[in-house]
Formats: sequence, structure tokens, C-alpha cells
Amino acid sequence: KAGVTQTPRYLIKTRGQQVTLSCSPISGHRSVSWYQQTPGQGLQFLFEYFSETQRNKGNFPGRFSGRQFSNSRSEMNVSTLELGDSALYLCASSPGTGALEPQHFGDGTRLSIL
Amino acid sequence: GEDVEQSLFLSVREGDSSVINCTYTDSSSTYLYWYKQEPGAGLQLLTYIFSNMDMKQDQRLTVLLNKKDKHLSLRIADTQTGDSAIYFCAERYGGSQGNLIFGKGTKLSVKP
Repeated sequence: KAGVTQTPRYLIKTRGQQVTLSCSPISGHRSVSWYQQTPGQGLQFLFEYFSETQRNKGNFPGRFSGRQFSNSRSEMNVSTLELGDSALYLCASSPGTGALEPQHFGDGTRLSIL
Repeated sequence: GEDVEQSLFLSVREGDSSVINCTYTDSSSTYLYWYKQEPGAGLQLLTYIFSNMDMKQDQRLTVLLNKKDKHLSLRIADTQTGDSAIYFCAERYGGSQGNLIFGKGTKLSVKP
């Protein structure tokens, strides 16, 4: 069974641009969560999608948005990029949304803002 | 607000036991988790414990939970060089459907 796939693995953008990151969950998984990982702030929750609906949202500005498609694949978009958006963006999928549903993580997309 | 704290570094010798500690703030947390991150990779779920348990053992891993002090620990027996990684403690904030709150991670270095 293939794991969680995130594309691209690396991305370089400049301030003011926008970016779209993609996550393909494990087959059969319907929940996808996104996290931002930085050396200073650690891992911070961005949002969670289940069956194409956003269930939870972290404390990030509206420049960060996401969506989920009917095949459970998810995309995350960041508009008007800032230097502070440089981070590793991790996606995790799980079969459902219960506490015991283990989250399986992808290897992340490393976004660098110049 | 919610917060999970861990010490940032731990260094042990191969064959020794490692103990990684974590404190959390949400007394209503139902599940607490330990994840491992190796360089260049995502997070791997190692183990979890339900809040009504005091201890859980899984092969070389032992999780201890002190709910009164909101303290969680992960003990790795017979630590190997392959255990070198960053270990994250996480709580599910706001009940069983809440999102995960992670600590900043403890970097474990295992010396041969």
C-alpha cells in the first residue's frame, strides 16, 4: 500500500507569490490534516479535512487555505507569501477522524521563500 | 492556552535506556501520542496512551502517564544508534475529535 505522497518535495518562491501544495492520502483514508513545521514554532496544526469538508482549523491567517477533493486528495494554498512562511509543510492522513485513528504522515514539502 | 513542553536534547550511550519527558496542559486530553521523526522524513507514530491508563508497554517502548501532574514519558530500552531521531509528544486538544498539539521535539543522540 502506498504511503502519503506530497508534491512537490521542494519549492522555492519569492515574497508576494502564491503556492499550491498537494497531498495524496493512503488509499481508503478520508481524513487529511496539514501541519507547518518550523525550527522556532515547531509543529503547528493548519487544518483538517474529512469528506471534502473542513472540520478543524488552526490559528493561521486567511492567506492559508485548503480543500479536499472527492477522491480525498487535498491541496493547500498560501497566497501573498511572506518570508516567515518558509517551513516544512506536512500532510497526514487517517481512515477517519476518531482519536484512535492513527495519523500517517508524508515526507513533507519544504517551502523556501526568498 | 494549550501547550506541550519537552526538553530539546538528550544524549545516551548505545545499550542504555533513554527517557524522554513531556508535560501537557489540557486536563481533558483523552489520548497522548509519541511520534518519531528521522532526518528528511515525516512523522512516524510510535505509540499512544489513553488517559485512563498509567502505563503502556510495546516491545522496547514504555509509556508512563501521570495524569495528576500532566506528565508523560517515553522510555526506550536498549537504545540503538538507529533510535537517533527527534521524538515528539502530542496531545489531542479539546477531546477525542480535537486537533493534535505537538511539543517542540526532543532530539535523541545515541553514541556508540
